[in-house]
Amino acid sequence: GIQVEQSPPDLILQEGANSTLRCNFSDSVNNLQWFHQNPWGQLINLFYIPSGTKQNGRLSATTVATERYSLLYISSSQTTDSGVYFCAGGTGGGNKLTFGTGTQLKVEL
Amino acid sequence: GAVVSQHPSRVICKSGTSVKIECRSLDFQATTMFWYRQFPKQSLMLMATSNEGSKATYEQGVEKDKFLINHASLTLSTLTVTSAHPEDSSFYICSARAGRRSSYEQYFGPGTRLTVT
Repeated sequence: GIQVEQSPPDLILQEGANSTLRCNFSDSVNNLQWFHQNPWGQLINLFYIPSGTKQNGRLSATTVATERYSLLYISSSQTTDSGVYFCAGGTGGGNKLTFGTGTQLKVEL
Repeated sequence: GAVVSQHPSRVICKSGTSVKIECRSLDFQATTMFWYRQFPKQSLMLMATSNEGSKATYEQGVEKDKFLINHASLTLSTLTVTSAHPEDSSFYICSARAGRRSSYEQYFGPGTRLTVT
């Protein structure tokens, strides 16, 4: 199966700062998603982005499929952005998702 | 749209008993559902993939006789942990994918925290 590397593993920001999270894949994927896991464990879909760029409010994501990586941008971070961010990718028709190890983000006042 | 529910959210059971977890897609038909397991401070690991009306496909190392999966309808999949032991204690999360060919996006339930005493 594919390998998914996420960086950085941990990140501490002051409120208002910007950040970039990265996800590298060992193989081409045709399914790529970014999630935020809240303190209660719920995975919240942020982006479905197998290629291209998308924006949703203060968040945006870019996937460069030919280079096998994806980036998640968080601008003007808020304390409510704290939590774990996961990327996950899948290949083939069955489209099982392989998750990265996550980025633990803490936004401080 | 694309809401997935799980029940129960939390369950405590005694060693040797069986526990059933339900996963429902509330506002769409899910041709494929997935079951994941997450240990504290770790990532999600896929356990199995189920398609409506057919047998589940288990990932390597997952005991199919211990983790019984049934996908009886386009909106319901169940995971039964049989003869549970303390090492089965974990956070179990399901996801569902609609049948649209244009998207492989998965939507996740809120998870079930299982504690086996």
